[in-house]
Amino acid sequence: KAGVTQTPRYLIKTRGQQVTLSCSPISGHRSVSWYQQTPGQGLQFLFEYFSETQRNKGNFPGRFSGRQFSNSRSEMNVSTLELGDSALYLCATEVGGRSGANVLTFGAGSRLTVL
Amino acid sequence: SQQGEEDPQALSIQEGENATMNCSYKTSINNLQWYRQNSGRGLVHLILIRSNEREKHSGRLRVTLDTSKKSSSLLITASRAADTASYFCATGGGSGNTPLVFGKGTRLSVIA
Repeated sequence: KAGVTQTPRYLIKTRGQQVTLSCSPISGHRSVSWYQQTPGQGLQFLFEYFSETQRNKGNFPGRFSGRQFSNSRSEMNVSTLELGDSALYLCATEVGGRSGANVLTFGAGSRLTVL
Repeated sequence: SQQGEEDPQALSIQEGENATMNCSYKTSINNLQWYRQNSGRGLVHLILIRSNEREKHSGRLRVTLDTSKKSSSLLITASRAADTASYFCATGGGSGNTPLVFGKGTRLSVIA
């Protein structure tokens, strides 16, 4: 079965613009987590959705938002882009495992460059 | 905030040598996971060790966990050039109720 699919893979925006990134989890899986990865801060948790409900939220400003649709596909939006938003945005789905451990399968990421 | 912190930040070894990476964390855990990331790509789950386990093996990987010291180590034996990647430890989770928190990773370079 297909893995986690993220689109677009690469994009370039300018400061002040907004961007929408998309993630489709593994078929049949309902959870989607988003992470921002930068060289300085490493992987930072953005938010997690499960069955269209936000289950957890990281410590990011309100410019970062997300949602999940009934088919489990998720989008995240960043408004009023800043240079510091340049990052690799990773989406993941929980594949569980024994004892319900939160093992994640990641997509290849969306590389955002803000000029 | 980062829960896990990997050490060293970067490691360079010759093919065939063993590579050891360490992870320290701050709070109590149910389990600890290790992930691998090839340059600019998504992370791939390698191995999970539960808090009541002390050592676990998977192929050329060996993970240890010392909950009294709040630390874990990942050993890759007989390394290959294809092992070149960044390695991250992650804690948290537990039935999806809390998000996984990742360290900043160890960048491993295996020179052929």
